[in-house]
Amino acid sequence: NAGVMQNPRHLVRRRGQEARLRCSPMKGHSHVYWYRQLPEEGLKFMVYLQKENIIDESGMPKERFSAEFPKEGPSILRIQQVVRGDSAAYFCASSTATGGAIGTEAFFGQGTRLTVV
Amino acid sequence: DAKTTQPPSMDCAEGRAANLPCNHSTISGNEYVYWYRQIHSQGPQYIIHGLKNNETNEMASLIITEDRKSSTLILPHATLRDTAVYYCIVRALSNTGNQFYFGTGTSLTVIP
Repeated sequence: NAGVMQNPRHLVRRRGQEARLRCSPMKGHSHVYWYRQLPEEGLKFMVYLQKENIIDESGMPKERFSAEFPKEGPSILRIQQVVRGDSAAYFCASSTATGGAIGTEAFFGQGTRLTVV
Repeated sequence: DAKTTQPPSMDCAEGRAANLPCNHSTISGNEYVYWYRQIHSQGPQYIIHGLKNNETNEMASLIITEDRKSSTLILPHATLRDTAVYYCIVRALSNTGNQFYFGTGTSLTVIP
């Protein structure tokens, strides 16, 4: 069973370009979480999605950032008109359904390192 | 926001047990305690989680106090590869929001 796959692993964009980060969850997982980690800082929650639905986007910047998790295909984190401050590692995690008597762990991918030049 | 407090750093001799404390004094009854670690900017790795009872798996043990206001992660025989940042996370499971909020973690250094 393959783990959470993120691609690309490294992405370089010029200021003003668009960045698209992809995340394929583990097989059987229908929940996806995106996190951002700035250099020398901890992971900050951005958005939580289920298939075709955004459940919580309270950590997403109000402008330029969007996320989707379509019925088919990977989850996409899209950053429009990137700026130098967007340079960071972006991690995706996936899990099975929430709730129930048993806690469900989330498994993380290896991240996409975005560099804006 | 993270609901946990951890010491910023700790050292442990190789082969000895590493005991990493975590305070979560405002934890609610339906909130689980999770531990993850991050080795050198890789993706966070799940270690263990629990609600009330102590838990053990092949990686570690989790000891939760009776009042659930604090817990300790125990790595029984630390190796150099256990050097990482360890995150203690309090997470509620619900249908509307169960995201993990990471704090600043404890940077564990295992010393040869």
